[in-house]
Amino acid sequence: DAGVIQSPRHEVTEMGQEVTLRCKPISGHNSLFWYRQTMMRGLELLIYFNNNVPIDDSGMPEDRFSAKMPNASFSTLKIQPSEPRDSAVYFCASTTDSYQPQHFGDGTRLSIL
Amino acid sequence: RKEVEQDPGPFNVPEGATVAFNCTYSNSASQSFFWYRQDCRKEPKLLMSVYSSGNEDGRFTAQLNRASQYISLLIRDSKLSDSATYLCVVKDNNDMRFGAGTRLTVKP
Repeated sequence: DAGVIQSPRHEVTEMGQEVTLRCKPISGHNSLFWYRQTMMRGLELLIYFNNNVPIDDSGMPEDRFSAKMPNASFSTLKIQPSEPRDSAVYFCASTTDSYQPQHFGDGTRLSIL
Repeated sequence: RKEVEQDPGPFNVPEGATVAFNCTYSNSASQSFFWYRQDCRKEPKLLMSVYSSGNEDGRFTAQLNRASQYISLLIRDSKLSDSATYLCVVKDNNDMRFGAGTRLTVKP
């Protein structure tokens, strides 16, 4: 079975550029999560969706970050404009219900120069 | 106080050793508990769920003490391939909180 699919796997870009990260959750999973992981701050929840609706975006760092989920099989996380401090690994995860664990994608390793 | 606290380690143990990780959580309303494993430059992967009665999966044993808000993971007969970071995870509805992780290195 296909797991959570993220793209791109790696992104290197210059500060000020727009960055779009993509995620396809596991088919049938109705909750989707975006995380950021750095050495300093560990794994941080940015936002999560339930049935395509954003439920909690309190972890989104600032207005430069936005996330959408136009349908049950696709979500994007956008950073505009990007800054060097946004460099991190961004993970997408999905799950079926509140008692089940989340399954993670391979992550996008983002470097902003 | 952090919502989920773990001993950061690192734990450096020889092959065959038994090692235990501890985790405490602050939200008494938490409903589900898990241990994840994360290898270097990889995504977190579910190792095992943690049930109230305690549960075992091969060399791995997980315990939960709701009264003390405490979770543990015991690894017996550790292997080189057990080297990784182990993340304690506490869930309340869809609010999933990760500990900072405990790094384990198993040496020959």
